[in-house]
Amino acid sequence: SQQGEEDPQALSIQEGENATMNCSYKTSINNLQWYRQNSGRGLVHLILIRSNEREKHSGRLRVTLDTSKKSSSLLITASRAADTASYFCATNSGYSTLTFGKGTMLLVSP
Amino acid sequence: DSGVTQTPKHLITATGQRVTLRCSPRSGDLSVYWYQQSLDQGLQFLIQYYNGEERAKGNILERFSAQQFPDLHSELNLSSLELGDSALYFCASSGKRGGSDTQYFGPGTRLTVL
Repeated sequence: SQQGEEDPQALSIQEGENATMNCSYKTSINNLQWYRQNSGRGLVHLILIRSNEREKHSGRLRVTLDTSKKSSSLLITASRAADTASYFCATNSGYSTLTFGKGTMLLVSP
Repeated sequence: DSGVTQTPKHLITATGQRVTLRCSPRSGDLSVYWYQQSLDQGLQFLIQYYNGEERAKGNILERFSAQQFPDLHSELNLSSLELGDSALYFCASSGKRGGSDTQYFGPGTRLTVL
């Protein structure tokens, strides 16, 4: 069963614009992670935010976590064509397994 | 490159057959996880092994089984294959048992059942 649900399902922007993706989940978590997947390839870990953290940055990525609303957002600033991919949030709820959402497909046009 | 390797990259087989997917974790990682990604179900956790022992089980069918060997590589066995088993199968590895840490994914094996 899916824990996280990303929104929107698909997002199309121009290079240089910012992209924001949201993730909502249902149960309490230890941490939430964001992954990127280029078409049909393996998942690449982007960032992990723990349940006691509210915001985290990594390069052009900014992740926020609101445990009261059970939601997270991923912001990619100054997007590039190479950012075109599917983005997944995944929650960890005590055991080591991850529960993934269905993902947001991001298309960045030159 | 995550350091996790999976073989084969592609596998095409017929219904009713049995296949074995192989995964080598990153050097030093003790945990191996298997995931299935399909269009309708998304990414689903199947099973986790830690240092040779089964640690957690997800949505894994009884027709599927896995094991982790002393050298820490893992194999996922899929038997009595059905059309619906066609999917991308990913292996991931991490270092810790309790695992509030990053999982590193391999490139996947694309299984097509005809």
